[in-house]
Amino acid sequence: KQEVTQIPAALSVPEGENLVLNCSFTDSAIYNLQWFRQDPGKGLTSLLLIQSSQREQTSGRLNASLDKSSGRSTLYIAASQPGDSATYLCAPNYGGSQGNLIFGKGTKLSVKP
Amino acid sequence: DVKVTQSSRYLVKRTGEKVFLECVQDMDHENMFWYRQDPGLGLRLIYFSYDVKMKEKGDIPEGYSVSREKKERFSLILESASTNQTSMYLCASSLLRWNTEAFFGQGTRLTVV
Repeated sequence: KQEVTQIPAALSVPEGENLVLNCSFTDSAIYNLQWFRQDPGKGLTSLLLIQSSQREQTSGRLNASLDKSSGRSTLYIAASQPGDSATYLCAPNYGGSQGNLIFGKGTKLSVKP
Repeated sequence: DVKVTQSSRYLVKRTGEKVFLECVQDMDHENMFWYRQDPGLGLRLIYFSYDVKMKEKGDIPEGYSVSREKKERFSLILESASTNQTSMYLCASSLLRWNTEAFFGQGTRLTVV
């Protein structure tokens, strides 16, 4: 069974810090991996999509890396701001008959002013 | 921008009622998904559809059915709502089955009393 683990489950940092969120997945045969942000009580917002052939993807202060062979991805957030406070979810896509994403339980980030 | 719209943000229904959750996407995406999200369990796939009138069971289809009569609309039906179906329901869509980005709606918080 494909499983996704996100470490840490929760993280609290002061404003301005750079931080790294980790995601590991048990089956490395992915098509792509997506990082999402979720604010309390809201839907998921797509942050970055990395294809299996890519090593990195960047958007503004966010940088996601992918090491498919070792089953790992990281999301790097530079110069964190209170507005970055949210839960971050990673989801590898295994395709197949369902083509659905398998989600980790997320990392809840709190950035203190 | 892709827009995925769920018909309600909050719903309160009585046990035994038939409940319809509607989802519409405006980008001609082939794939549409219904997930539920519960604390400690994360996101779990209920049903998914890769074409009009096509549907596939996800991990937890029991007690649910779906309908996709038009490409842009995917409905989740609770045939007889029960209290254990109280949850956050999330709809998503993606252009193709495997290597494209998934977009989510804002979520529907359903309470069954």
